[in-house]
Amino acid sequence: SQTIHQWPATLVQPVGSPLSLECTVEGTSNPNLYWYRQAAGRGLQLLFYSIGIDQISSEVPQNLSASRPQDRQFILSSKKLLLSDSGFYLCAWTSSGRGLNGYTFGSGTRLTVV
Amino acid sequence: GQNIDQPTEMTATEGAIVQINCTYQTSGFNGLFWYQQHAGEAPTFLSYNVLDGLEEKGRFSSFLSRSKGYSYLLLKELQMKDSASYLCAVKGYSTLTFGKGTMLLVSP
Repeated sequence: SQTIHQWPATLVQPVGSPLSLECTVEGTSNPNLYWYRQAAGRGLQLLFYSIGIDQISSEVPQNLSASRPQDRQFILSSKKLLLSDSGFYLCAWTSSGRGLNGYTFGSGTRLTVV
Repeated sequence: GQNIDQPTEMTATEGAIVQINCTYQTSGFNGLFWYQQHAGEAPTFLSYNVLDGLEEKGRFSSFLSRSKGYSYLLLKELQMKDSASYLCAVKGYSTLTFGKGTMLLVSP
């Protein structure tokens, strides 16, 4: 069966520090991968998505970036965090194609920038 | 782009039935999803509609009318554990866009 792993679960980082969040999927190949952010009182905001290695689309211009070094690995990074980067970061995957079963989310990373 | 509207909050009593509505405007439509999200946790998939009509899954049902840009999630025999946020999401050409969610509070 397919599983998605996301870490760390919680992170407290000072303003201006770098960020690296990792997400891996097991039990499938060539998944579509997504990074979402959920700020307090707001909906899920799509940040990046990838339909294959070296194919990453950015939905929201900001100081975050994403990379996909391997087929089932998706990394969210920042060189310098801002206070506004605080939030609940969720990685998700779906099978390539129509994704009839929807997105499956990782357990999330709660990031607090102080 | 996508615009999705759902009520911010609803309350209901244990054992009752509740209907959570969702309206959407979209430039491309490849299905409507409902997710449940408990506080501090990731969303979990509940249902998917791509054609008009009702999809039933145990205590949960979801309805879609594409011509009206309208969906609802029906929860029957409410239990305390159903207290959560319910997210409506529309799939466009390649991604899911989520509404802000409806917080459902179930009281004894």
